[in-house]
Order: sequence, then C-alpha cells, then structure tokens
Amino acid sequence: GQQLNQSPQSMFIQEGEDVSMNCTSSSIFNTWLWYKQEPGEGPVLLIALYKAGELTSNGRLTAQFGITRKDSFLNISASIPSDVGIYFCAGQLWGNQFYFGTGTSLTVIP
Amino acid sequence: NAGVTQTPKFQVLKTGQSMTLQCAQDMNHNSMYWYRQDPGMGLRLIYYSASEGTTDKGEVPNGYNVSRLNKREFSLRLESAAPSQTSVYFCASSESLRTGVTGELFFGEGSRLTVL
Repeated sequence: GQQLNQSPQSMFIQEGEDVSMNCTSSSIFNTWLWYKQEPGEGPVLLIALYKAGELTSNGRLTAQFGITRKDSFLNISASIPSDVGIYFCAGQLWGNQFYFGTGTSLTVIP
Repeated sequence: NAGVTQTPKFQVLKTGQSMTLQCAQDMNHNSMYWYRQDPGMGLRLIYYSASEGTTDKGEVPNGYNVSRLNKREFSLRLESAAPSQTSVYFCASSESLRTGVTGELFFGEGSRLTVL
C-alpha cells in the first residue's frame, strides 16, 4: 500500500523551541489528519484538515493542508516535555483508504 | 466517552493457537478497520468493514479473519497464530468510507500480541 513520506524521521530539540514536520504524497487527498502516539498507547487525533490551503490550530499545534493537496505540515510552537512522542500524518481520498506516514519521533530536552 | 475499545490489551500465544481480538465503538460510525503496527513498517491495514454487513481485505490479510458482528463491533481472529503475527493491533473507526464523504479516523488503545 501507499506510504506517505514524512520528514524528519526524528527530532531532538530543546524545550521552548518550535518544531516543524511535513508529509508528502504522490497522490492527492481530500483529508489530511495528524496524530500523536505515545509509548504503549494508540494514536490520538490532533488535527483534521479538509480543504486545500486550510490552516488549523489546536493550542500550540498548527497544521496546514498543502495547496497542491499532496502535502501537509505540522508545527508545534514553544515545545514542552509532554510533547514527546511519535507524530504521524494520514491522508484520505474520498471513498478510499487512509494512508499513513512512517512518523516523526520527537524528543524534547528539558 | 469511550470511543474505540479493544480487548484484550495484552496476549501471549503459542504458535498454532487461535484467538480473537474484540473491538467496539460507541460513535455510531459506519466504517471500522483493523491495523497492525510493526517497527519501521508503520500502520498496515489488515481488513476493513465499510459498513455493517461488509468486510474487505486490506494490505496484509493473510492469516486473519474478521467479523462485523453489528454496527458497533468488529472482531479480528487469528486461526493459527504464527510468530510473524507478533505485533501491536489497532482497531479504528470512521464515520463512513464512502465516496463523497471525508472523515476522521479514531483508534483504540491497541492490543499487544506476542506469538511464541
């Protein structure tokens, strides 16, 4: 199945820094989703995007639906230790399956 | 607000044993899914049920069977477990897997299965 290209694979940052990650696809999507997964837990939905160009925030998290519909971006501002986890994207085209990125592992150093 | 509930959370099996993973959602979603997650492989779709009464194979269906018992419940069965099926299994649901409908995908907390 199609796997989305997500980068970077891992990030080690100082507390307080901003974080940016992105996800690209060879196909267009109608929906982009961003998840956070902590060790031993299931993925938790952070942000859902439904329209090209859409910019949506959830607290310190901001995500954008790329204008080409083939990419999406997630930013975390002023990172804190509890932001640690694996972040991954998912895309869907109407009536079709969800496709997932391989994840960005985030480590926040206090 | 339970969302998607999976049982059991942990299970150890011997090769050749059978077991069923249970999943229930309380969001009145039409579509349900079973994924497995392995290191370096990401989430891979095993089976899905677009609506009550239908099931379809995903990317990695071999060695598994599913039953959409009703709108709420979707079970995954391993008839004869193999070490290659050691993984973390996630059940998920979405409003509808239907042309013209976009939606959010919600996951359960996972079932960690080890096959010896």
